[in-house]
Amino acid sequence: DADVTQTPRNRITKTGKRIMLECSQTKGHDRMYWYRQDPGLGLRLIYYSFDVKDINKGEISDGYSVSRQAQAKFSLSLESAIPNQTALYFCATSDTGTGSYEQYFGPGTRLTVT
Amino acid sequence: GQQVMQIPQYQHVQEGEDFTTYCNSSTTLSNIQWYKQRPGGHPVFLIQLVKSGEVKKQKRLTFQFGEAKKNSSLHITATQTTDVGTYFCALTQGGSEKLVFGKGTKLTVNP
Repeated sequence: DADVTQTPRNRITKTGKRIMLECSQTKGHDRMYWYRQDPGLGLRLIYYSFDVKDINKGEISDGYSVSRQAQAKFSLSLESAIPNQTALYFCATSDTGTGSYEQYFGPGTRLTVT
Repeated sequence: GQQVMQIPQYQHVQEGEDFTTYCNSSTTLSNIQWYKQRPGGHPVFLIQLVKSGEVKKQKRLTFQFGEAKKNSSLHITATQTTDVGTYFCALTQGGSEKLVFGKGTKLTVNP
């Protein structure tokens, strides 16, 4: 969905490096999420934020941190990248007010840690 | 946390054949969503089911929510090559808007 953008789209980094993945949205949604996708494992929640002052750990938060700089921006950081963090990372948003839990996903960032 | 089992993991069909994927939970669900992810793409919302026994249709796709609200299915009639992709079910965890995704069913269609 063009309303949710992620940068970079692809990144190769070395073990031990700090890396930041960025997500921006123009949908005006208050809720934002970070997932990682690995083959055969589906989508797993890393962190989520229900508003600018609210940050929560998801299923697999170890080794990651996040920052919600504004309602429209949610960044994911890998403090010291390791090879098993090689994965496809998705940002998603949802809107409190609709009564639907529908999430809108960005195009993804493919991260490779060597 | 809440778990959801999705089967099968893979399904290969000839174009024109039907396809079904199932999601099962050990606990009663408040709602369930279905997403489709095309190869190289991102998940895209298809539908949300809320009511016990609910059936919804989108052209050749039929979505069902079980009477006990513990299982759901997605059925595609007469598959086409455009149906290729991975289909995920997702359920909300507790009273929050966090989604727990099934591991997905990857559908390939032989023309």
